[in-house]
Amino acid sequence: VQLLESGGGLVQPGGSLRLSCAASGFTFNTYAMTWVRQAPGEGLDWVSTITGRGEYTYYADSIKGRFTISRDNSKNTLYLQMTSLRAEDTGVYYCAKHRSGAYSFDAFDIWGQGTMITVSS
Amino acid sequence: EVVLTQSPGTLSLSPGERATLSCRASQSVSSSYVAWHQQKPGQAPRLLIYGVSSRATGIPDRFSGSGSGTDFTLSISRLEPEDSAVYYCQQYSSSLSFGGGTKVEI
Repeated sequence: VQLLESGGGLVQPGGSLRLSCAASGFTFNTYAMTWVRQAPGEGLDWVSTITGRGEYTYYADSIKGRFTISRDNSKNTLYLQMTSLRAEDTGVYYCAKHRSGAYSFDAFDIWGQGTMITVSS
Repeated sequence: EVVLTQSPGTLSLSPGERATLSCRASQSVSSSYVAWHQQKPGQAPRLLIYGVSSRATGIPDRFSGSGSGTDFTLSISRLEPEDSAVYYCQQYSSSLSFGGGTKVEI
C-alpha cells in the first residue's frame, strides 16, 4: 500500500498549482481520501476530504473557495487544485488514506511522503 | 469546530520510563473517534492508535490509548530512544482536526 504525491514547487502569491497523489496496493475507489498540510516547524492541519466515489467533498474554512479536491478512480489518483495561493499556504502537503471505507471522516492509516509547496515572490 | 489541545508541549524522559500525553477536546468527541499519530523528523506521520484505544497494524503494545468525552490520553511504556518524536491527536467525530502536538524527547 503506497501513496506518492507530486506537483509541489515554488509558486508566486496569487498563483495556482495542482497536486497529485498516486495510490497503489488497495482498492482506491472504496476509501475516502484526505489532504493534510504542515507549515514549516508547525503541526498538522486538515485541508480537504473526498469520499470514495467522489460524491462528497469537505474543506477547511481557510482554503474554502480557493482549493478543489477531486479524484480519478480509473487512474487511482487524488488531486488538489490550488488557486489564489498565499504565503500562509506554504508547507508540506500530505495525502492520506482513510482507515475504513465506511465513513467520510476517519483515522488515516496510510500517509504519503509529502510534497513541498512554497508560495513566495 | 472541535479544537484539540495537547499537553505538555514537550516531555523529556529517560529510556525505560513511561510517557503520558494528554489531548483535550473543546466539546465531547462522540463514538470514540480519536486517533494518535507519531511523526519523526523529516518523515510523514504514522498512525498509532484509532478509536481511542485500538492499536494500528504493527504498533507495539507499549503504546496504549484511553479516554472518553473530552479527555484522551496516549501512554507509552518502557520508552525507547526510537520513540523520540512528535505525537498528534486527531478527532474525526465532527469533521477532522488535529491537536498541536507533544514533542517527546528521550
